[in-house]
Amino acid sequence: ELKVEQNPLFLSMQEGKNYTIYCNYSTTSDRLYWYRQDPGKSLESLFVLLSNGAVKQEGRLMASLDTKARLSTLHITAAVHDLSATYFCAVDPTGANNLFFGTGTRLTVIP
Amino acid sequence: DTEVTQTPKHLVMGMTNKKSLKCEQHMGHRAMYWYKQKAKKPPELMFVYSYEKLSINESVPSRFSPECPNSSLLNLHLHALQPEDSALYLCASSQDPGTKNIQYFGAGTRLSVL
Repeated sequence: ELKVEQNPLFLSMQEGKNYTIYCNYSTTSDRLYWYRQDPGKSLESLFVLLSNGAVKQEGRLMASLDTKARLSTLHITAAVHDLSATYFCAVDPTGANNLFFGTGTRLTVIP
Repeated sequence: DTEVTQTPKHLVMGMTNKKSLKCEQHMGHRAMYWYKQKAKKPPELMFVYSYEKLSINESVPSRFSPECPNSSLLNLHLHALQPEDSALYLCASSQDPGTKNIQYFGAGTRLSVL
């Protein structure tokens, strides 16, 4: 059974602090996606990681992928309140662009 | 323009009603998807259309019936739903099926079944 687990499920952090969200998956996937979802809203694409060792950065967020360990990380640098949202990773186990989402991490940044 | 438009935004229906959800994109994408998202849970894939043909049905009950009339439009017909079907229904599209393309999501239809 395919499992995509995120850790932590809930994260409350102060503005200005750094933290990392982890995404572990149980099957091979040649790509990994990170999405953001604000409450009651749709999903916004953040990153697509296409190969082992891939690293992508956008603003205060940086994502990396280790396909051998089946692990992706989303690192938050100097958090600001606007980053408060739920973050999902997603894998594509069939290679047909059919996404299987992780459990989600609900991030709250406290002023 | 990376917009996927879903209507209606909210829908309340009884268990004997028939209703439809609509999804539209004008990005020239040839793959379209329906996802179901329960509260505080991740989205779950329901259906995939590739070049207007149904390619994936993730064991979804027959009370959900998808339709893709053309490359820009995706419908989800609902009939005899159960209260546990209440959820946010998300539509997404991507450029080409089976390739490493980003899926763009609509804002969703929040469905309540009474």
